[in-house]
Amino acid sequence: EVQLVQSGAEVRKPGESLKMSCKASGYSFPTEWIGWVRQMPGKGLEWMGIIYPGDSDTRYSPSFQGQVTISADKSINTAYLQWSSLKASDSAIYYCARFSGGYGANWGQGTLVTVSS
Amino acid sequence: QSALTQPASVSGSPGQSIIISCTGTSSDVGGYNYVSWYQQHPGKAPKLMIYDVSNRPSGVSNRFSGSKSGNTASLTISGLQTEDEADYYCSSYTSSSTYVFGTGTKVTVL
Repeated sequence: EVQLVQSGAEVRKPGESLKMSCKASGYSFPTEWIGWVRQMPGKGLEWMGIIYPGDSDTRYSPSFQGQVTISADKSINTAYLQWSSLKASDSAIYYCARFSGGYGANWGQGTLVTVSS
Repeated sequence: QSALTQPASVSGSPGQSIIISCTGTSSDVGGYNYVSWYQQHPGKAPKLMIYDVSNRPSGVSNRFSGSKSGNTASLTISGLQTEDEADYYCSSYTSSSTYVFGTGTKVTVL
């Protein structure tokens, strides 16, 4: 069974850094793309970026390029999403998803990030 | 890279059929057969309902079907049921080797 388990909810102050994780199991992690999706409170889904763990090939949505960093450690089947300096507008739920072909076949449970002074 | 355009809301009575449209450009929806649809209930993660325009994953009801014509994709829900009340999002691969979601549609069962 494919599972994506994300790290727990986070509370940070503006300007602080954050690295969240998404641990995959049940499939060949290095050979399938894994992506990140943002959902701001009461809003729709926004595609952020995607990584191929096998060679770390990474693509970002223009809206998120330079704002976040996506990485992966294939030795522990885990993908990461990180910020170096959070803003209040980064408060949202973040989902990871396994992209099998051209679609998000499996999704993590989501990680809630709250950025507030 | 603009979001794909979906109607904000669609409603129908139990047993009826509804159609949700998803309009993009030749650089996304019109250019690739990589359109997918997701259902999201409040407080839950999205769930894949349709992939590659018209394919249903195992376990998804055959009441859900997808199609595409030009730059517009469509999701049809037949025999509408109360549990179909949720938000629905389309998504497409793009010419930039990235993906884009639709604006989302709230489905209400009257």
